[in-house]
Amino acid sequence: KNEVEQSPQNLTAQEGEFITINCSYSVGISALHWLQQHPGGGIVSLFMLSSGKKKHGRLIATINIQEKHSSLHITASHPRDSAVYICAVRLYFGNEKLTFGTGTRLTIIP
Amino acid sequence: DARVTQTPRHKVTEMGQEVTMRCQPILGHNTVFWYRQTMMQGLELLAYFRNRAPLDDSGMPKDRFSAEMPDATLATLKIQPSEPRDSAVYFCASREGETQYFGPGTRLLVL
Repeated sequence: KNEVEQSPQNLTAQEGEFITINCSYSVGISALHWLQQHPGGGIVSLFMLSSGKKKHGRLIATINIQEKHSSLHITASHPRDSAVYICAVRLYFGNEKLTFGTGTRLTIIP
Repeated sequence: DARVTQTPRHKVTEMGQEVTMRCQPILGHNTVFWYRQTMMQGLELLAYFRNRAPLDDSGMPKDRFSAEMPDATLATLKIQPSEPRDSAVYFCASREGETQYFGPGTRLLVL
């Protein structure tokens, strides 16, 4: 069983819809990252969370440490948000090794 | 606009050949990562360095892979000998604060 599970694997939505992508993990962690991989392959780091919530533009990331769960929300989705969103966890303080989820492929239709 | 650069962007080689991939991290970033991405395994950490010292290379097959930072502006990942199962995209990233900045990747195909 993968230590990091993402759902859904694929998501298609209409432009303007509110999007939620989920990430669950099975072990204690020191931090969780959300990454975005563009259709061309480039990877961008969106957030690093160890507690609570972070917001950047239309993106919001939350984490519940007790429930071992994080969500990435996109408000007012746009076709340019179409990408693969990857969750990754860092298990130990002082060790920067990340364990990755398999990603959620998001497609926003105009 | 500082960014991580990687060379080559694409490499096709034959099984058994040596492959060297290079990465120039963003100036001033002291932590550098090598990742591999395949369709089957997704993203995996191969190794990372802090202040040029290797801190964790547990994700790397030691018999054929080696990673080094000859200086603060260059990280290298070598595969010798290469095998078809090494075909993947190899990403380098460097970190400042909480954020990792990824290079564009080297797409490797071993025939």
